[in-house]
Amino acid sequence: DAGVIQSPRHEVTEMGQEVTLRCKPISGHDYLFWYRQTMMRGLELLIYFNNNVPIDDSGMPEDRFSAKMPNASFSTLKIQPSEPRDSAVYFCASSLVIQRENMKTQYFGPGTRLLVL
Amino acid sequence: QKEVEQNSGPLSVPEGAIASLNCTYSDRGSQSFFWYRQYSGKSPELIMFIYSNGDKEDGRFTAQLNKASQYVSLLIRDSQPSDSATYLCAVRANEKLTFGTGTRLTIIP
Repeated sequence: DAGVIQSPRHEVTEMGQEVTLRCKPISGHDYLFWYRQTMMRGLELLIYFNNNVPIDDSGMPEDRFSAKMPNASFSTLKIQPSEPRDSAVYFCASSLVIQRENMKTQYFGPGTRLLVL
Repeated sequence: QKEVEQNSGPLSVPEGAIASLNCTYSDRGSQSFFWYRQYSGKSPELIMFIYSNGDKEDGRFTAQLNKASQYVSLLIRDSQPSDSATYLCAVRANEKLTFGTGTRLTIIP
């Protein structure tokens, strides 16, 4: 299995530009998570989906951020317009059925390193 | 108050010694607790989880949970240079994981 795939791995853009991050979860996994990691705030959950449906987007920082999951094998996180404070590493993770006592199957992708100038 | 707190370190431990990493959490409704390891420039990888009070051992790793004190710890025995990484504590309540900011561990040869 190829694991969780994210693209691009690195993105440098200018303030005000639109940024689209992409994620392909592990085949068969029914949960997908988007996280953001910074030195100051650590790893934060932005949004997660179950069977392609957004369940909780309370971590999305503001309306400039949006996420979609049009099918079981693809998700996007879009920032429009981007700002320098959005610079961070964005991780996608997928999981197979979050059981009540067991989340050991949550796998992280390699991340996208975003720099907004 | 942060929901999950960890000492940021760095924590330096001689090779072969025991490394002890600590984590406290604020939500008493938390159900499960996780330790992730993250090498520099890499993604987090799960190394242990625990949900019952007491100890859980897996090879050189032991996770300890005390729900009354809202405290989770990770012990690494016979520390190796390859254990040098940032260790993230994560707490699950309902369906979401909340992470601490991590403790940077350095094993000194």
